[in-house]
Amino acid sequence: EVELVESGGGLVQPGGSLRLSCAASGFDFGNYWIHWVRQAPGKGLVWLARINSDGSNLDYVDHVRGRFTISRDNAQKTVYLHIDSLRAEDTALYYCARDQYAMSSLDLWGRGTQVTVSS
Amino acid sequence: DIQMIQSPSSLSASVGDTVTITCRASQSISSFLNWYQQKPGKAPKVLIYAASSLQSGVPSRFSGSGSGTDYNITITNLQPEDSATYYCQQTLTTPLFGPGTKVEIK
Repeated sequence: EVELVESGGGLVQPGGSLRLSCAASGFDFGNYWIHWVRQAPGKGLVWLARINSDGSNLDYVDHVRGRFTISRDNAQKTVYLHIDSLRAEDTALYYCARDQYAMSSLDLWGRGTQVTVSS
Repeated sequence: DIQMIQSPSSLSASVGDTVTITCRASQSISSFLNWYQQKPGKAPKVLIYAASSLQSGVPSRFSGSGSGTDYNITITNLQPEDSATYYCQQTLTTPLFGPGTKVEIK
């Protein structure tokens, strides 16, 4: 089955760190860019970061650059999002998604992993 | 940085109606514009990519148009299952989603 499955979310104290994982199956993972998008409760979609197929090109939205790090392991068919210095406003459902044609639309999404930042 | 505005923020229409949602960018995005549908508790689903290309498997009652800074998604013959929030996304530069339009069925 063609799918993306996120994991690694949970309840974290402010200032903590977390590594989210996005595991792919059913398609040629190494040929696709992968993105991370989050959605706070009751709010809209916020694009966070993307990584190209071989991991040589990374891009971030300005307000997370320096705290978020995207990476990938093509042998493990997994993309990661490391988040440092977690804040309450990072509380959200985090999705990973596949870029259909590179710098194009996101045609395959996971179900998301919930991150809650609270003391 | 490119900014994205969507209008309206919400609308209510009847089954069979035609509705249009507009997305305006602060500068030309050269048709690097996608449209997504998101239902409560579900991940988004791409409907239209590159401004006017219908994603495989999406009903033909969805269509996209536009160029430069202004883009539309039109839903003809609105169906009950079209109740959702719709987001535009520009991908010319660092990707950015619009704020969303909630579509309700009367």
